[in-house]
Amino acid sequence: SYEVTQPPSVSVSPGQTARITCSGDALPRKYAYWYQQKSGQAPVLVIYEDSKRPSGIPERFSGSSSGTMATLTISGAQVEDEADYYCYSTDTSGNYWVFGGGTKVTVL
Amino acid sequence: EVQLVESGGGLVQPGGSLRLSCEASGFTFSSSWMNWVRQAPGKGLEWVANIKQDGSEKYYVDSVKGRFTISRDNAKNSLYLQMNNLRAEDTAIYYCARDFGEQSGTYDYWGQGTLVTVSS
Repeated sequence: SYEVTQPPSVSVSPGQTARITCSGDALPRKYAYWYQQKSGQAPVLVIYEDSKRPSGIPERFSGSSSGTMATLTISGAQVEDEADYYCYSTDTSGNYWVFGGGTKVTVL
Repeated sequence: EVQLVESGGGLVQPGGSLRLSCEASGFTFSSSWMNWVRQAPGKGLEWVANIKQDGSEKYYVDSVKGRFTISRDNAKNSLYLQMNNLRAEDTAIYYCARDFGEQSGTYDYWGQGTLVTVSS
């Protein structure tokens, strides 16, 4: 079955840049999506179709994709950005979806 | 205001069944692909299943194929997940999520989740 892989944790100081990578063999042909989940809450979409930001999501969140790797960047991370972040994509058929294992972002 | 409200979770013994419901409001339910996503305690998110607007296409993660059935009733603005032959590893919070696109990963609205516990 298809998998996308991301690092388990990333630490960043307030105001610095955090980057979370996501690798998957189908990413050259399929979009990556990024979800933020804070403790005890439902996930929130922060990036869709590799690099688009939904309304209401701060501009410090950006996404990119190149080859088999997608990247979520938090520029000028804030304490309130501490959360788990999940990469999400689909296999080449487009019918089966998979989340990465999640990356815990710590801002301190 | 868009709302997705899940219900039907609870404690069930291994091998038992449960039917989850998700009642939608605030958007045109019949125009949206819908999804179930679960999260085991302390673990990550897992996509479980999705269903096309008219119910003509349904897809499942391998681990639930043959045991779970996703369905919808557009007249009632409701999404369902029939779960049979439940296993301990199905213990999780189950979320329903609206797909903004056409079988895309753009889930712009989520419910609050309903907890399913499979244990003897």
